[in-house]
Amino acid sequence: DSGVTQTPKHLITATGQRVTLRCSPRSGDLSVYWYQQSLDQGLQFLIQYYNGEERAKGNILERFSAQQFPDLHSELNLSSLELGDSALYFCASSADRSSYNSPLHFGNGTRLTVT
Amino acid sequence: SQELEQSPQSLIVQEGKNLTINCTSSKTLYGLYWYKQKYGEGLIFLMMLQKGGEEKSHEKITAKLDEKKQQSSLHITASQPSHAGIYLCGAPAAGNKLTFGGGTRVLVKP
Repeated sequence: DSGVTQTPKHLITATGQRVTLRCSPRSGDLSVYWYQQSLDQGLQFLIQYYNGEERAKGNILERFSAQQFPDLHSELNLSSLELGDSALYFCASSADRSSYNSPLHFGNGTRLTVT
Repeated sequence: SQELEQSPQSLIVQEGKNLTINCTSSKTLYGLYWYKQKYGEGLIFLMMLQKGGEEKSHEKITAKLDEKKQQSSLHITASQPSHAGIYLCGAPAAGNKLTFGGGTRVLVKP
């Protein structure tokens, strides 16, 4: 058990809808990362927050947004969903603000299916 | 942007045999992480290598970092069914992004 909790485990929704994915980091970790994993694209970095502030941005679509709250949990919001958004979404946390110094610990992911 | 290429993409080994996975970077490596993933599940952290020439071992898994070759290797000795899964290498990149390779799928035949 990595200590990172993601909810829900599975989500099935229709195109055009909006969903929210939730992540609780490991106790003591200040950084939260979001990744998308699909068969054709592999594991893609979306965004990182450190202690409530956006720290780094990757290939995140404008339809997607995220935030980290004062209690350090994070939410990833996906709107105007398309079939191609179907994927496994991972949250990871680490102690440090930089990925050079401490490993990321991953949750078990949320499997999103858009129909 | 930094790209990580893993080879082979997949391999099947007989239980008890050794196996090696390579991860080659398009840019200088300043650190390298190895993870294991069971299908449809989260990534499990295996090892972190931070210096050129560094080698780490955990149980039957050994990883090395060759800075000059911009490459890392993961070696499993006397493979067991529990070693089956997808192995991914990840490296810090510009903008504090942790970039991952495409993964190597390992199947261990009993």
